[in-house]
Amino acid sequence: AQSVTQLDSQVPVFEEAPVELRCNYSSSVSVYLFWYVQYPNQGLQLLLKYLSGSTLVESINGFEAEFNKSQTSFHLRKPSVHISDTAEYFCAVSQGAQKLVFGQGTRLTINP
Amino acid sequence: DVKVTQSSRYLVKRTGEKVFLECVQDMDHENMFWYRQDPGLGLRLIYFSYDVKMKEKGDIPEGYSVSREKKERFSLILESASTNQTSMYLCASSLWASSYGYTFGSGTRLTVV
Repeated sequence: AQSVTQLDSQVPVFEEAPVELRCNYSSSVSVYLFWYVQYPNQGLQLLLKYLSGSTLVESINGFEAEFNKSQTSFHLRKPSVHISDTAEYFCAVSQGAQKLVFGQGTRLTINP
Repeated sequence: DVKVTQSSRYLVKRTGEKVFLECVQDMDHENMFWYRQDPGLGLRLIYFSYDVKMKEKGDIPEGYSVSREKKERFSLILESASTNQTSMYLCASSLWASSYGYTFGSGTRLTVV
């Protein structure tokens, strides 16, 4: 069975600093990869996804993630964070045809 | 705007009560899911349904059951609520393939006292 590890449970950074949230998954078979964001007191929203093609995928609010097959990783990055990026971020990987497996989440805290 | 709607945002129930959590989606999605979210544990799948009247156990089905009588509605039932079922419950739906990703509801925070 597929498993997902988010290596950091909490990441504090200063505003306008770069950030990387790390995600590793267990299986090297063909997978789909996702990052979801959860703002306080809300459900999860899709941030970006990798299905195939270019290994670098981008979101509309400046985040990007790179699929690395050899390292089975899908790390999320942003070159300059804003206070509004404060949220919990979940990495997910497909398991079979219909299900996703989620990581434990990384809480991103932005300090002014 | 497509939506997954969970009927209650906050719920407080007593130990031993039968609890119903309702979820409705308006996207004609085949798949629907129930997760619970606990700090440090991420999202854990309770049950999922890939068609009307069809269901499959997830990773933590004990103490829960589900019902899907119509395509748009997926109910989670706590047969006899216990304090260790205090949690955030998230409903999600998706088209038939995992490549589409999920659409989540806003969650129901259940407290069992």
